[in-house]
Amino acid sequence: QSLLTQPPSASGTPGQRVTISCSGSGSNIGSNTVSWYQQLPGTAPKLLIYSNNQRPSGVPDRFSGSKSGTSASLAISGLQSEDEADYYCAAWDDSLNGPVFGGGTKLTVL
Amino acid sequence: QVQLQESGPGLVKPSETLSLTCTMSGGSVSSGSYYWSWIRQPPGKGLEWIGYIYYSGSTNYNPSLKSRVTISVDTSKNQFSLKLSSVTAADTAVYHCARERKVTMIRGVSNWFDPWGQGTLVTVSS
Repeated sequence: QSLLTQPPSASGTPGQRVTISCSGSGSNIGSNTVSWYQQLPGTAPKLLIYSNNQRPSGVPDRFSGSKSGTSASLAISGLQSEDEADYYCAAWDDSLNGPVFGGGTKLTVL
Repeated sequence: QVQLQESGPGLVKPSETLSLTCTMSGGSVSSGSYYWSWIRQPPGKGLEWIGYIYYSGSTNYNPSLKSRVTISVDTSKNQFSLKLSSVTAADTAVYHCARERKVTMIRGVSNWFDPWGQGTLVTVSS
């Protein structure tokens, strides 16, 4: 059972805006920042967002992150077929004294 | 550009020790700005942090695995390694190494993993 809760699936049509939620607690998201990762089929996870809403260079501005209280969200605007992947949130957990991941959300582009 | 590559046996027998090495190119494991992590992903499942090591040798392990895990670093070879003892079928997973940036601020910890190694599948079976 992951300490961070994500919906198992999400979907959208090309051009649409979709959001993926990540719910935690005071010991993780409530106290620390959130990062997001994209995992395309058969590949390693790739950093999309760090420190709640910062994009590494090379990540399109179609991807954005936000955090409020003990929850965070990843938004993808102008959805493209190549965005079909698994998405994971992560945050440091003070009780574990280490990072925890969400269970992942499989995004399907219809 | 920093790249990480895992290597090691793809098949380990139950009760034996899993050993993997991560080789870094394009950078140095001696950098004081990063931690060097292992993360695993059972087939069809999510990600689980195993632990990390700092270049000085200090470590931090997931409490659920702590009694079986050892992570070490070899700065001369620009590598860090994972040993997981007494493995069972539940340890079957793709094992990734990753560079972790962790910043401790007054308002909390900001950490993230970038880049990741491509991962190596380790199957525990007799």
